[in-house]
Amino acid sequence: EAGVVQSPRYKIIEKKQPVAFWCNPISGHNTLYWYRQNLGQGPELLIRYENEEAVDDSQLPKDRFSAERLKGVDSTLKIQPAELGDSAVYLCASSGLLGAGETQYFGPGTRLLVL
Amino acid sequence: GEDVEQSLFLSVREGDSSVINCTYTDSSSTYLYWYKQEPGAGLQLLTYIFSNMDMKQDQRLTVLLNKKDKHLSLRIADTQTGDSAIYFCAESANQGGKLIFGQGTELSVKP
Repeated sequence: EAGVVQSPRYKIIEKKQPVAFWCNPISGHNTLYWYRQNLGQGPELLIRYENEEAVDDSQLPKDRFSAERLKGVDSTLKIQPAELGDSAVYLCASSGLLGAGETQYFGPGTRLLVL
Repeated sequence: GEDVEQSLFLSVREGDSSVINCTYTDSSSTYLYWYKQEPGAGLQLLTYIFSNMDMKQDQRLTVLLNKKDKHLSLRIADTQTGDSAIYFCAESANQGGKLIFGQGTELSVKP
């Protein structure tokens, strides 16, 4: 069974440019999460979706970050414009497979460097 | 607020046991997790424990939970060089909810 897929794996941009990250969760998983992991830290939740509804976006910096999960499957996280402090690893996770609890399974992440 | 604390580094010899410790503050934590992160990779779920349990064993991994002291530990028996990674403790107050992570413990296994 395929795991959580993310692309791109790496992205280098100049500050003030826009950037987008894509995530495809594990098939059948209803809940999708975006986390940000700064260097030397644990991941921190940005937004959580139940199907296509954002149920927890309290930690998402809404002035520059946006996310969508059309049709309740794939999701895109966008930053516009990017700032130097946005350099981090952006992790997508999913949960919801019946019989396995709702443990969160993570993708490989997108490593963003803003110059 | 919710907080999870871990020591930053642990160094052991190959074949020894490793014990990684974690403390948390949220008394409503229901599920506690251990994830492993290798360089340049995402987080791999190792194991998890429900708060009504005090121990869980899975092959070389043993998780101990002291709910009174809000202390969680992960013991890796017969540690191998392939176990070198960063280990994250995480708590969740409800299944499917937000995970609160510690800052990670870097385990170094020397041959």
